[in-house]
Amino acid sequence: KQEVTQIPAALSVPEGENLVLNCSFTDSAIYNLQWFRQDPGKGLTSLLLIQSSQREQTSGRLNASLDKSSGRSTLYIAASQPGDSATYLCAPNTGFQKLVFGTGTRLLVSP
Amino acid sequence: EAQVTQNPRYLITVTGKKLTVTCSQNMNHEYMSWYRQDPGLGLRQIYYSMNVEVTDKGDVPEGYKVSRKEKRNFPLILESPSPNQTSLYFCASSLGPYTEAFFGQGTRLTVV
Repeated sequence: KQEVTQIPAALSVPEGENLVLNCSFTDSAIYNLQWFRQDPGKGLTSLLLIQSSQREQTSGRLNASLDKSSGRSTLYIAASQPGDSATYLCAPNTGFQKLVFGTGTRLLVSP
Repeated sequence: EAQVTQNPRYLITVTGKKLTVTCSQNMNHEYMSWYRQDPGLGLRQIYYSMNVEVTDKGDVPEGYKVSRKEKRNFPLILESPSPNQTSLYFCASSLGPYTEAFFGQGTRLTVV
């Protein structure tokens, strides 16, 4: 059974810092991995989708890497801003759009 | 605007009173899913659908029903809700089995 762990559970940083959020999963048989952000009272917003054959995917200040064989993904946020404050979730796709979620990293970026 | 729409956003109901949470997407997606989110447990898949009239159980299907009569709609039915179904529910859709998933705004359900 796939299990997903996200470390750290919470992170508080001053504006401008570069951040790394970690995601590990126990079963390397995945098709892709998606990173989301969740804001209080709102749904999940897709940030990046990285396919199992890819090593990296970039969107603006965000960069996600995937090491499928070791069961790890990282989300790098450059030059963090207060608007980045949210909970970040990773979810490997184990087949037929079955996403298995971690419990997330709660990020607070202070001005 | 491409989106997944859930209704209602908030719902308080009593034990045993049947309810339906609707989900609709306007992106012509084949795949649709329901998840529930509970503190400390993350999101868990309840049911998913690969196309019209094709549905299958996820990890936590007990106490739920779904139907997919039209491509755009995927309602979640709780025929006899119980307090342990109090949760935050999300509907999701994607074009295919391995493409980007898009989520709705969530429905916060409280069963008393």
